[in-house]
Amino acid sequence: GNSVTQMEGPVTLSEEAFLTINCTYTATGYPSLFWYVQYPGEGLQLLLKATKADDKGSNKGFEATYRKETTSFHLEKGSVQVSDSAVYFCALPASGTYKYIFGTGTRLKVLA
Amino acid sequence: DGGITQSPKYLFRKEGQNVTLSCEQNLNHDAMYWYRQDPGQGLRLIYYSQIVNDFQKGDIAEGYSVSREKKESFPLTVTSAQKNPTAFYLCASSPPGRANTGELFFGEGSRLTVL
Repeated sequence: GNSVTQMEGPVTLSEEAFLTINCTYTATGYPSLFWYVQYPGEGLQLLLKATKADDKGSNKGFEATYRKETTSFHLEKGSVQVSDSAVYFCALPASGTYKYIFGTGTRLKVLA
Repeated sequence: DGGITQSPKYLFRKEGQNVTLSCEQNLNHDAMYWYRQDPGQGLRLIYYSQIVNDFQKGDIAEGYSVSREKKESFPLTVTSAQKNPTAFYLCASSPPGRANTGELFFGEGSRLTVL
C-alpha cells in the first residue's frame, strides 16, 4: 500500500537560512501529494499540494515538486522566518480508500 | 465563515469516565475523520466516516466510539476502555467527489488530559 517517509527533526535554522525537509513516498499510481503545517497548539492546515507528476505546489514562499523518478516531494523555502517555526507533515492518500497517510512530522525551529 | 469546530478545546477527565468530543462542520463535506496526536508523534487515525450513518475503524479504534447521525456532526467518545487517553485529538473533513483527491480540512483540536 501507499506510504510516506519524512525526515526526522527537529530542524533548527537561523532566520533567512535555506530550508529543505525531505519526503519520499511509495504509491500505487500517481496520487495527490500534500504538505500540511501545524503551528503550536493548533490543528493542521494545508500548506501546498501537487496533483500530478512534475507539478510544483507553492504557498507562502514554500515550494515542493512532485517527482516520480525519485518518488519525492521535498519541501523547500529559500529564506525562513521565525514565524515559520512549526511542525510540517507530508501526506498522501491511501490507495482505494478515503484514508490519508501522514509522515511523522518534522519540527522546524527558526532562531532570530 | 465555513470551517470545522471542535469543542471543548481543553478537557480534563478522571480515570474511568467516558468523555465525548464534539466536531461540527459547515463545509458540506461528506467524509469526516478523527485523528490522535501524541507529543513528538505523527497522526494516527481513530475512525473515519464517508457518509451519514456509516463509519469505519482506523488504526487505533480500540477504546473509542463514534456516531454519524448528521452530515455536519461526527462526535468521538473516549471510553474508560481506552488505556492511555491523554492526547491531542484532531477532527478533519474532506470535500465530496472521488476519494482522496482533495485536501483535508482540520479543526483546532481538543486536548484531553486524564487526571
